[in-house]
Amino acid sequence: KAGVTQTPRYLIKTRGQQVTLSCSPISGHRSVSWYQQTPGQGLQFLFEYFSETQRNKGNFPGRFSGRQFSNSRSEMNVSTLELGDSALYLCASSLILGSTDYEQYFGPGTRLTVT
Amino acid sequence: GENVEQHPSTLSVQEGDSAVIKCTYSDSASNYFPWYKQELGKRPQLIIDIRSNVGEKKDQRIAVTLNKTAKHFSLHITETQPEDSAVYFCAATSTGSSNTGKLIFGQGTTLQVKP
Repeated sequence: KAGVTQTPRYLIKTRGQQVTLSCSPISGHRSVSWYQQTPGQGLQFLFEYFSETQRNKGNFPGRFSGRQFSNSRSEMNVSTLELGDSALYLCASSLILGSTDYEQYFGPGTRLTVT
Repeated sequence: GENVEQHPSTLSVQEGDSAVIKCTYSDSASNYFPWYKQELGKRPQLIIDIRSNVGEKKDQRIAVTLNKTAKHFSLHITETQPEDSAVYFCAATSTGSSNTGKLIFGQGTTLQVKP
C-alpha cells in the first residue's frame, strides 16, 4: 500500500495570505489527524477528521481549519498567515476499525515558510 | 489539561550501550502510548506502541514499559547502533472516546549514538 502523501512539500507565503495543504491517507484509513511541528513547541495536535466530520480540535485559533472528503482525503487551511505559522505541517492517518487499529502513520509533511 | 513530559531532552551513548527515555502523562484516561522515531528531514515513524492492558512489549532491540499507577512509560533501546541516532517522541491518547485520533506528544529526545 502507498503511504500517506502530502502536497505541496514546500510552500513560501507572505503574511496575510492564506494557504491550503492537502493530505491523502493510506488506502482504507478513515481518520486523518493534523499536527504542527516547530522547534520550540514540538508536535502539537491541530484537529482530527473521521468520516468527513471533525471529531477533535486542538488549541489553535480559528484561522486554522480543515475538512475531509468522502474519499478520506483531507485539507487544512490557514488564513491570514502570521510569521509564527512557519512550521512543518504533518498529517497522519489511521484505520480505527471498531475499538482497534489506532496506529497513526505520518506523511512527509509540508514545510510552510511565512515571510 | 492533557500533558506528556519527556526526559531527557538529549541523550548521548556509546555504540553498544543501552538508552532509556522516560515519559509521564497527566490524563488518567490515556490508554494508548506510541513511540515515534524521527530522523533529520524525515517523517515521524512509529517504532513501537503499548496499550494500557499490557505492562511491557518488546520488538527485537526495543522495548516499552508502562506503569499505569505512576503514569509513566519508558522506551528502552539495547545494543544501540549509529543508525539509532534520531529524535524520539513519546505520545499518549485515550482511545474509544472523544479523544480518539488526538495524540499528545512529549517534547522529544535527541539520541546520539557515538561509534
